[in-house]
Amino acid sequence: AQSVSQHNHHVILSEAASLELGCNYSYGGTVNLFWYVQYPGQHLQLLLKYFSGDPLVKGIKGFEAEFIKSKFSFNLRKPSVQWSDTAEYFCAVNAQDTNAGKSTFGDGTTLTVKP
Amino acid sequence: EPEVTQTPSHQVTQMGQEVILRCVPISNHLYFYWYRQILGQKVEFLVSFYNNEISEKSEIFDDQFSVERPDGSNFTLKIRSTKLEDSAMYFCASSEGTDPTNTQYFGPGTRLTVL
Repeated sequence: AQSVSQHNHHVILSEAASLELGCNYSYGGTVNLFWYVQYPGQHLQLLLKYFSGDPLVKGIKGFEAEFIKSKFSFNLRKPSVQWSDTAEYFCAVNAQDTNAGKSTFGDGTTLTVKP
Repeated sequence: EPEVTQTPSHQVTQMGQEVILRCVPISNHLYFYWYRQILGQKVEFLVSFYNNEISEKSEIFDDQFSVERPDGSNFTLKIRSTKLEDSAMYFCASSEGTDPTNTQYFGPGTRLTVL
């Protein structure tokens, strides 16, 4: 079974600071990786995803993530955060070699950006 | 842009009562999912559904839970006899095609409160 670990539970940054949120997964096979964002009072939205190819993927709103297979990691980055990035961020994984598409989520990281 | 919709947005019920949460997946999608998020905890997979049958279910999805696609558009989650610990946000998701590793699009969620 797959599992996901997000190291930072709560991150507080000032505007324009750089962001890196850690995500590590555990699974013996090939995975698809996702970052979702949940703004206060809103539903989960996909930020970016990785299935194959270039391990550096770019998503919406200036976010990017790098898949490092040897480290089982898929960290989320943004060079300069804005107050509007305040939200909960979830890393998720599903296995390519199953046929059910079940996604396993990390605990989430709450990002607070101070103006 | 097509969206997954869910009704109601908030459901309050008494312990022991049956509830039905409704979802309308994106119209050309073939895989459907239910997840839940207990307040302050991670998003947890409940069940996936394809071709009118359950593809995979988690240990949370016991005999008290059932899913159904009663017509061509709705996808429902029924909890037969609600418990206090069923209080959570329930998210429906859908993905297109027959490849379940396609991106899952999430609905806004139904907040279930069991008193």
